[in-house]
Amino acid sequence: GAVVSQHPSWVICKSGTSVKIECRSLDFQATTMFWYRQFPKQSLMLMATSNEGSKATYEQGVEKDKFLINHASLTLSTLTVTSAHPEDSSFYICSVDSVPDTQYFGPGTRLTVL
Amino acid sequence: GEDVEQSLFLSVREGDSSVINCTYTDSSSTYLYWYKQEPGAGLQLLTYIFSNMDMKQDQRLTVLLNKKDKHLSLRIADTQTGDSAIYFCAESIRKDSSYKLIFGSGTRLLVRP
Repeated sequence: GAVVSQHPSWVICKSGTSVKIECRSLDFQATTMFWYRQFPKQSLMLMATSNEGSKATYEQGVEKDKFLINHASLTLSTLTVTSAHPEDSSFYICSVDSVPDTQYFGPGTRLTVL
Repeated sequence: GEDVEQSLFLSVREGDSSVINCTYTDSSSTYLYWYKQEPGAGLQLLTYIFSNMDMKQDQRLTVLLNKKDKHLSLRIADTQTGDSAIYFCAESIRKDSSYKLIFGSGTRLLVRP
């Protein structure tokens, strides 16, 4: 399967600042990547589908102006949490789309907003 | 609707078999998946099954699919302490030209020595 990395693995920031999380597909050209968030002891919630060279598709209830996604190349998608607040603290995980309809996940990024 | 349900917790002795169950609601799912998540880590794809199959075996893992009852199970033979983790069942939902995965809430497997 595809090898996926995320950077940083954890980040602590002050309320009101913006944080960028990178998702890289190391051995696979990914036209499509996905961004999820996971609260403690809960399941994964799909935030958006990131498409290379075009706008991301956001799930209902996810603010696109708050969670900016950029997929500028076939190996890199970024998620920027703008004006972060404590309620944005979560575990953010990306995945790359492979065949057939399978996803390979990154190791996740833990965001803590103070 | 889109809903995937799993039991929350399973405890087994090392060497025994573990069976984790899952039910889903969307009969049009093309694939069903089992993922493993260890503490603080991402998800590892264990196996997946195409919806027109009843069973798939991969080393210690056996997946059974009952499409009529919308029931999926994962059997782990000779369970080891390293198998302790959270196991997520997921179904794929086709939407226009794309798809998305719907995950269950996860089953925490504890393997006792």
